[in-house]
Amino acid sequence: GAVVSQHPSRVICKSGTSVKIECRSLDFQATTMFWYRQFPKQSLMLMATSNEGSKATYEQGVEKDKFLINHASLTLSTLTVTSAHPEDSSFYICSASGTLAGGPTDTQYFGPGTRLTVL
Amino acid sequence: QKEVEQNSGPLSVPEGAIASLNCTYSDRGSQSFFWYRQYSGKSPELIMFIYSNGDKEDGRFTAQLNKASQYVSLLIRDSQPSDSATYLCAVNRGYGNKLVFGAGTILRVKS
Repeated sequence: GAVVSQHPSRVICKSGTSVKIECRSLDFQATTMFWYRQFPKQSLMLMATSNEGSKATYEQGVEKDKFLINHASLTLSTLTVTSAHPEDSSFYICSASGTLAGGPTDTQYFGPGTRLTVL
Repeated sequence: QKEVEQNSGPLSVPEGAIASLNCTYSDRGSQSFFWYRQYSGKSPELIMFIYSNGDKEDGRFTAQLNKASQYVSLLIRDSQPSDSATYLCAVNRGYGNKLVFGAGTILRVKS
């Protein structure tokens, strides 16, 4: 149980384009999803928290107009990086928490991540 | 003071030994505690969670929690080279499901 998928796993795009990343909980209802970014050899950095049907809550310093998050259902959240630039190149990872039989509701299960390269 | 502190390592142990990973946290109101393992280039995967003081065992892994000392640890028995990874300690301070992560400890198990 507790499988989270992410698509695409890797994307290369040109500067100025937008990229959408999907995060899906496959076998449980994700009431809350999280988006992280991780640069090489650095810690996870939480970007935003989203609850199904609500606006995302962004961490300080994260531009909400640049990183658009939608959590339209209990199994799907999307992150859109708008007008991407080379400095946005990073490893983007989503996680999900929710109701999973036998487990605590605050446990986060991570997707496999999306490696974004902006040329 | 960081909210969740871990020794960055690397912690090197020989194969078959016990690896001991430590984590301290600053918020006494923290309610739940997690250990994740992250291999290089991959996303974190959950190893264990613990809520109550004491020990919790799962296979070769034992999580230990001492809320009075604000300390949580992870013991890995019979360490294997495949255990070589970065281990992340995470704490739920009680504000929704948001976790605060430590920077991680690099573990190297040498055969």
